[in-house]
Amino acid sequence: QLQLQESGPGLVKPSETLSLTCTVSGGSISSSSYYWGWIRQPPGKGLEWIGSIYYSGSTYYNPSLKSRVTISVDTSKNQFSLKLSSVTAADTAVYYCASPSTYGDDAFDIWGQGTMVTVSS
Amino acid sequence: EIVLTQSPDFQSVTPKEKVTITCRASQSIGSSLHWYQQKPDQSPKLLIKYASQSFSGVPSRFSGSGSGTDFTLTINSLEAEDAATYYCHQSSSYSLTFGGGTKVEIK
Repeated sequence: QLQLQESGPGLVKPSETLSLTCTVSGGSISSSSYYWGWIRQPPGKGLEWIGSIYYSGSTYYNPSLKSRVTISVDTSKNQFSLKLSSVTAADTAVYYCASPSTYGDDAFDIWGQGTMVTVSS
Repeated sequence: EIVLTQSPDFQSVTPKEKVTITCRASQSIGSSLHWYQQKPDQSPKLLIKYASQSFSGVPSRFSGSGSGTDFTLTINSLEAEDAATYYCHQSSSYSLTFGGGTKVEIK
Protein backbone atom coordinates (compact mmCIF):
# COMPACT_ATOMS: atom_id res chain seq x y z
CA GLN A 1 0.00 0.00 0.00
CA LEU A 2 1.30 3.39 -0.98
CA GLN A 3 2.54 5.55 1.88
CA LEU A 4 3.97 9.07 1.96
CA GLN A 5 6.26 10.67 4.54
CA GLU A 6 7.33 14.31 4.62
CA SER A 7 10.71 15.35 5.99
CA GLY A 8 12.67 18.56 6.32
CA PRO A 9 13.59 21.36 8.71
CA GLY A 10 10.92 22.48 11.13
CA LEU A 11 12.34 25.99 11.37
CA VAL A 12 13.32 28.26 8.50
CA LYS A 13 14.56 31.84 8.70
CA PRO A 14 12.76 34.65 6.87
CA SER A 15 14.00 35.23 3.31
CA GLU A 16 15.51 31.74 3.15
CA THR A 17 14.34 28.73 1.15
CA LEU A 18 12.06 26.10 2.62
CA SER A 19 12.97 22.61 1.39
CA LEU A 20 10.85 19.52 2.03
CA THR A 21 10.99 15.97 0.76
CA CYS A 22 8.22 13.42 0.43
CA THR A 23 9.36 9.80 0.45
CA VAL A 24 7.13 7.29 -1.32
CA SER A 25 6.99 3.74 0.00
CA GLY A 26 4.96 0.75 -1.07
CA GLY A 27 5.35 1.52 -4.73
CA SER A 28 7.45 3.19 -7.39
CA ILE A 29 7.11 6.92 -7.83
CA SER A 30 7.50 6.35 -11.55
CA SER A 31 4.38 4.24 -11.94
CA SER A 32 2.25 4.24 -8.80
CA SER A 33 0.39 7.44 -9.35
CA TYR A 34 -0.72 9.91 -11.99
CA TYR A 35 0.51 12.89 -10.02
CA TRP A 36 1.94 14.00 -6.73
CA GLY A 37 1.02 17.14 -4.83
CA TRP A 38 1.96 19.48 -2.02
CA ILE A 39 -0.70 21.11 0.15
CA ARG A 40 -0.25 23.33 3.19
CA GLN A 41 -2.38 24.46 6.11
CA PRO A 42 -1.52 27.54 8.20
CA PRO A 43 -2.37 27.19 11.90
CA GLY A 44 -6.13 27.34 12.40
CA LYS A 45 -6.81 27.84 8.69
CA GLY A 46 -7.89 25.82 5.67
CA LEU A 47 -6.08 23.77 3.07
CA GLU A 48 -4.09 25.51 0.33
CA TRP A 49 -2.81 23.66 -2.74
CA ILE A 50 0.81 24.57 -3.45
CA GLY A 51 1.54 22.60 -6.59
CA SER A 52 1.63 19.26 -8.38
CA ILE A 53 4.02 17.24 -10.51
CA TYR A 54 2.70 14.75 -13.06
CA TYR A 55 4.10 11.44 -14.32
CA SER A 56 5.18 13.29 -17.46
CA GLY A 57 7.29 15.68 -15.41
CA SER A 58 4.93 18.59 -15.96
CA THR A 59 4.45 20.87 -13.00
CA TYR A 60 1.60 23.16 -12.04
CA TYR A 61 1.72 25.71 -9.25
CA ASN A 62 -0.69 27.86 -7.27
CA PRO A 63 -0.64 31.21 -9.08
CA SER A 64 -0.16 33.04 -5.79
CA LEU A 65 3.03 31.08 -5.07
CA LYS A 66 4.25 30.32 -8.58
CA SER A 67 7.21 32.71 -8.56
CA ARG A 68 8.64 31.07 -5.43
CA VAL A 69 7.83 27.36 -5.84
CA THR A 70 9.68 24.47 -7.42
CA ILE A 71 8.52 20.84 -7.29
CA SER A 72 10.71 18.05 -8.60
CA VAL A 73 10.99 14.27 -8.57
CA ASP A 74 14.00 12.08 -7.79
CA THR A 75 13.10 8.65 -9.13
CA SER A 76 16.33 7.10 -7.86
CA LYS A 77 15.31 7.89 -4.29
CA ASN A 78 11.56 7.43 -4.82
CA GLN A 79 11.02 10.96 -3.58
CA PHE A 80 9.54 14.23 -4.69
CA SER A 81 10.44 17.56 -3.21
CA LEU A 82 9.22 21.09 -2.59
CA LYS A 83 11.28 24.25 -2.56
CA LEU A 84 9.71 27.56 -1.52
CA SER A 85 11.98 30.56 -1.69
CA SER A 86 11.97 33.92 0.08
CA VAL A 87 9.77 32.67 2.90
CA THR A 88 8.00 34.94 5.36
CA ALA A 89 5.96 34.30 8.49
CA ALA A 90 2.92 33.83 6.23
CA ASP A 91 4.50 30.58 5.02
CA THR A 92 4.32 29.06 8.49
CA ALA A 93 2.09 26.02 8.10
CA VAL A 94 1.73 22.26 8.22
CA TYR A 95 2.94 20.98 4.85
CA TYR A 96 1.41 17.80 3.42
CA CYS A 97 2.38 15.70 0.45
CA ALA A 98 -0.47 13.76 -1.14
CA SER A 99 -1.33 11.58 -4.08
CA PRO A 100 -4.08 9.50 -5.64
CA SER A 101 -3.31 5.80 -5.16
CA THR A 102 -5.09 4.83 -8.35
CA TYR A 103 -3.33 5.74 -11.57
CA GLY A 104 -5.51 8.18 -13.47
CA ASP A 105 -7.52 9.29 -10.46
CA ASP A 106 -7.53 12.92 -9.35
CA ALA A 107 -8.60 12.73 -5.71
CA PHE A 108 -5.95 12.64 -2.99
CA ASP A 109 -6.60 9.44 -1.06
CA ILE A 110 -3.05 9.09 0.22
CA TRP A 111 -1.67 11.81 2.51
CA GLY A 112 1.50 12.10 4.52
CA GLN A 113 1.21 12.85 8.21
CA GLY A 114 2.23 16.45 7.61
CA THR A 115 5.21 18.39 8.85
CA MET A 116 5.04 21.71 10.68
CA VAL A 117 7.31 24.40 9.31
CA THR A 118 7.76 27.63 11.23
CA VAL A 119 9.31 30.68 9.62
CA SER A 120 11.06 32.72 12.28
CA SER A 121 14.41 34.28 12.99
CA GLU B 1 -8.50 30.11 -10.90
CA ILE B 2 -11.63 28.18 -9.94
CA VAL B 3 -12.95 29.37 -6.59
CA LEU B 4 -14.85 26.93 -4.38
CA THR B 5 -17.24 28.48 -1.86
CA GLN B 6 -18.45 26.26 0.95
CA SER B 7 -21.44 26.90 3.17
CA PRO B 8 -22.02 27.05 6.00
CA ASP B 9 -18.67 27.85 7.59
CA PHE B 10 -19.80 26.24 10.84
CA GLN B 11 -22.61 23.95 11.89
CA SER B 12 -23.57 22.73 15.36
CA VAL B 13 -25.61 19.54 15.09
CA THR B 14 -27.16 17.00 17.44
CA PRO B 15 -26.38 13.30 16.98
CA LYS B 16 -28.61 11.46 14.50
CA GLU B 17 -29.41 14.71 12.73
CA LYS B 18 -28.83 15.10 9.01
CA VAL B 19 -26.04 17.43 7.87
CA THR B 20 -25.85 19.11 4.49
CA ILE B 21 -22.77 20.99 3.31
CA THR B 22 -22.67 22.74 -0.03
CA CYS B 23 -19.77 23.64 -2.30
CA ARG B 24 -20.25 26.04 -5.18
CA ALA B 25 -17.69 26.41 -7.97
CA SER B 26 -17.07 29.71 -9.73
CA GLN B 27 -17.35 27.89 -13.08
CA SER B 28 -18.52 24.50 -14.27
CA ILE B 29 -16.23 21.65 -13.17
CA GLY B 30 -18.29 18.70 -14.31
CA SER B 31 -18.01 16.06 -11.61
CA SER B 32 -14.36 16.73 -10.72
CA LEU B 33 -15.20 17.51 -7.12
CA HIS B 34 -13.96 15.60 -4.08
CA TRP B 35 -14.76 15.77 -0.36
CA TYR B 36 -12.42 15.31 2.60
CA GLN B 37 -12.82 15.05 6.36
CA GLN B 38 -10.16 16.44 8.66
CA LYS B 39 -10.11 15.95 12.41
CA PRO B 40 -7.85 18.02 14.68
CA ASP B 41 -4.15 17.21 14.32
CA GLN B 42 -4.84 14.67 11.58
CA SER B 43 -4.29 14.62 7.83
CA PRO B 44 -7.37 15.00 5.64
CA LYS B 45 -9.16 11.79 4.66
CA LEU B 46 -10.96 11.27 1.36
CA LEU B 47 -14.69 10.64 1.71
CA ILE B 48 -16.19 11.13 -1.74
CA LYS B 49 -14.53 11.39 -5.13
CA TYR B 50 -15.95 12.64 -8.41
CA ALA B 51 -18.94 14.24 -6.68
CA SER B 52 -20.78 11.06 -5.73
CA GLN B 53 -18.41 8.07 -5.59
CA SER B 54 -17.93 6.86 -2.04
CA PHE B 55 -14.31 6.06 -1.23
CA SER B 56 -13.50 2.61 0.05
CA GLY B 57 -14.17 2.10 3.75
CA VAL B 58 -16.19 5.30 4.22
CA PRO B 59 -19.41 4.79 6.23
CA SER B 60 -22.54 4.71 4.11
CA ARG B 61 -24.03 7.69 5.97
CA PHE B 62 -21.72 9.91 3.90
CA SER B 63 -22.93 10.70 0.39
CA GLY B 64 -22.25 13.28 -2.28
CA SER B 65 -24.23 14.73 -5.15
CA GLY B 66 -24.12 17.45 -7.75
CA SER B 67 -22.43 18.40 -10.99
CA GLY B 68 -21.43 21.51 -12.84
CA THR B 69 -21.18 24.24 -10.20
CA ASP B 70 -23.25 23.03 -7.26
CA PHE B 71 -22.33 20.12 -5.02
CA THR B 72 -23.54 18.70 -1.73
CA LEU B 73 -22.05 16.50 0.95
CA THR B 74 -24.69 14.83 3.12
CA ILE B 75 -24.13 13.07 6.41
CA ASN B 76 -27.17 11.04 7.34
CA SER B 77 -27.68 10.38 11.03
CA LEU B 78 -24.65 12.21 12.36
CA GLU B 79 -22.47 10.36 14.85
CA ALA B 80 -20.19 11.87 17.49
CA GLU B 81 -17.11 10.71 15.57
CA ASP B 82 -18.15 12.89 12.62
CA ALA B 83 -17.10 16.06 14.43
CA ALA B 84 -14.54 17.47 12.00
CA THR B 85 -13.90 20.04 9.31
CA TYR B 86 -14.99 19.09 5.81
CA TYR B 87 -13.36 20.40 2.62
CA CYS B 88 -14.25 20.22 -1.04
CA HIS B 89 -11.54 20.09 -3.72
CA GLN B 90 -11.74 20.49 -7.48
CA SER B 91 -9.49 18.81 -10.03
CA SER B 92 -11.19 20.09 -13.19
CA SER B 93 -8.29 22.44 -13.78
CA TYR B 94 -4.59 21.66 -13.44
CA SER B 95 -4.63 24.56 -10.98
CA LEU B 96 -6.28 22.79 -8.07
CA THR B 97 -8.27 24.54 -5.36
CA PHE B 98 -9.90 23.70 -2.06
CA GLY B 99 -12.98 25.17 -0.46
CA GLY B 100 -12.62 27.11 2.75
CA GLY B 101 -13.95 24.32 4.93
CA THR B 102 -17.04 23.64 7.04
CA LYS B 103 -16.58 22.84 10.69
CA VAL B 104 -19.17 20.45 12.12
CA GLU B 105 -19.57 20.45 15.87
CA ILE B 106 -21.60 18.00 17.89
CA LYS B 107 -24.07 19.62 20.31
